[in-house]
Parts: sequence; structure tokens; C-alpha cells
Amino acid sequence: DTEVTQTPKHLVMGMTNKKSLKCEQHMGHRAMYWYKQKAKKPPELMFVYSYEKLSINESVPSRFSPECPNSSLLNLHLHALQPEDSALYLCASSQEGQANQPQHFGDGTRLSIL
Amino acid sequence: KQEVTQIPAALSVPEGENLVLNCSFTDSAIYNLQWFRQDPGKGLTSLLLIQSSQREQTSGRLNASLDKSSGRSTLYIAASQPGDSATYLCASDSWGKLQFGAGTQVVVTP
Repeated sequence: DTEVTQTPKHLVMGMTNKKSLKCEQHMGHRAMYWYKQKAKKPPELMFVYSYEKLSINESVPSRFSPECPNSSLLNLHLHALQPEDSALYLCASSQEGQANQPQHFGDGTRLSIL
Repeated sequence: KQEVTQIPAALSVPEGENLVLNCSFTDSAIYNLQWFRQDPGKGLTSLLLIQSSQREQTSGRLNASLDKSSGRSTLYIAASQPGDSATYLCASDSWGKLQFGAGTQVVVTP
């Protein structure tokens, strides 16, 4: 079982819908990440939160809106997505302030845009 | 910009053989090099992390080496088992950002 929990596991939505992806960890990690992974491709970093503050935004379109309400939770709010946004969205966490700590990944949310 | 390359893209071996997976990176200014395993439809499982000051790390049947000067890392899996079948990804860590290779898809046949 993974220590990073993502919900839902699968999500199908229309281009006009608004939905949210959720990620939770209870390892005391203070850095949390969102990645996007297309089929047969490696994960690509989207956002990094450090101590609940957004520290890295990899030029992600504004239709993706991250939120970190507390140190254990990370959300990704979705609005007006495009079919090309269909992918596996992975959340990860790691210990902040300590170099050379591995990132722990959840099993992802598989998103399909109709 | 860091580029990470993995060769081969796919590998099929009979059970019991040793596996050798290669990873190369263009920028040697890294904190560490990480190896992950990904099963179909699943997230990534961290296997080994080699700090930039280290030459290798070992965990059970897994051994990973790092040569920063040549921009290379190698993952060795001894005595492969069918349960080792998965995609293996390497990632360089620079300033907390992971840059992944495209992965090597491994099939171990009984």
C-alpha cells in the first residue's frame, strides 16, 4: 500500500466541468508535488509546494489550479480542461529542508476528458 | 536544460538472468540520481537514491552506480524474477526538481 493516497482513482469529465483531485500524506513531509504523465511517457513536474506555499509552477495553464490547505493535503482544481489534458496525474511528497530525500508517489488519478 | 536518456527502451530476459539498465544525463550538477519502478497503471516506487557524492547504493538484489563525470548511472538487478517485470525510470534531482528518463520496460519470462 502506498503512503500517499490519491482520490479519485479514475475521473471522467467534460470540458465544461469543474472537478478536483485530492492527495493526502501522513508522513510529516512538508514538500508536495503534482506531476502529469501521458501514456508511455515519463512524469512531468507541474507544481511544487514547500511548507504549504507554492514554490514552483512549471508554466502550467491556469485551467489547473493547485491548493495546499494544510501540510497533509494537496488539491488540484480542474476547470475547462481540453482533451489533451487526459493523463495520469501523480502526487508525491518528500521531506523538506533535507537534501537527498526520495519522493514518495501515490498511485495517481487517471483523468479522461470527453 | 537537463536531458535524461535511458537505454534500452525495452528488455526481455529469462528468469534468473541479471539485468543491466542504463541511464545518462547531460548536466552533472545534480543533488542525486534516483531509480524508480512503475507497474502498469500505478504510481512510482522509489528503489534507490544515490547522492552526488556517492558512487553506488545497494538494496537487496539491486545495485545502482553513479559516475557524475561521465553523466551515467547503471541499475543492476541480480537473479531476475518474473515479479521484476515493470518499467524502470531514472531521474536526476536538481534543486528539488526531478527530470525523468523515458524508462526501460522490462519483461522477465518464467
